[in-house]
Amino acid sequence: DIQMTQSPSSLSASVGDRVTITCRASQTISSYLNWYQQKPGKAPNLLIYAASTLQNGVPSRFSGSGSGTDFTLTIRNLQPEDFATYYCQQSYTSRWTFGQGTKVEIQ
Amino acid sequence: EVPLVESGGGLVQPGGSLRLSCVVSGFTFSGYWMTWVRQAPGKGLEWVANIQQVGTEKYYVDSVKGRFTISRDNAKNSLYLQMNSLRAEDTAVYYCARVRQAAGFDYWGQGTLVTVSS
Repeated sequence: DIQMTQSPSSLSASVGDRVTITCRASQTISSYLNWYQQKPGKAPNLLIYAASTLQNGVPSRFSGSGSGTDFTLTIRNLQPEDFATYYCQQSYTSRWTFGQGTKVEIQ
Repeated sequence: EVPLVESGGGLVQPGGSLRLSCVVSGFTFSGYWMTWVRQAPGKGLEWVANIQQVGTEKYYVDSVKGRFTISRDNAKNSLYLQMNSLRAEDTAVYYCARVRQAAGFDYWGQGTLVTVSS
């Protein structure tokens, strides 16, 4: 199975900051990379699919980039509602795998 | 909104069985792959299984192969997960989700908690 590795595992940031989370695949996955946001006690929410396409309704301060094995999720102008855990997920094969998550906490 | 409602979770002893259900509405169920994802307490997301539109293709994470069976009934707009030989490490919230092929899981249920403990 394709392994997905996120970094960092957690980070502290302030409102208004720019935050970058990286995700690396153990083999090439083209652009078959999705990002999710999850808040405590809630189901995950799809933010970005196909590495860089924003899901309907997701604020434009979220962006994604990358292809092959290395991907990035960027949040510009961090808002209070953005403090959450973020997961990458590959959909290159039919055995989908998630990264271990990155928790974004208030500094 | 595209509601997906899971049910069937609960407390079960090691070695026991449970059947989870996910009833959907608001979209043509038979037109989509569906998936189960779980999350152990305090841990990250783990993909468990998925099923193709008419059920002819199914895939499982290695840790549940031979113990869990994913199925669907398109006439009832329902997705199922039969879980046998349950272990403590299967304790988790189980989510069903709609798959937008190669474009992520775009709608999720609220989750149902499965606790495996004696």
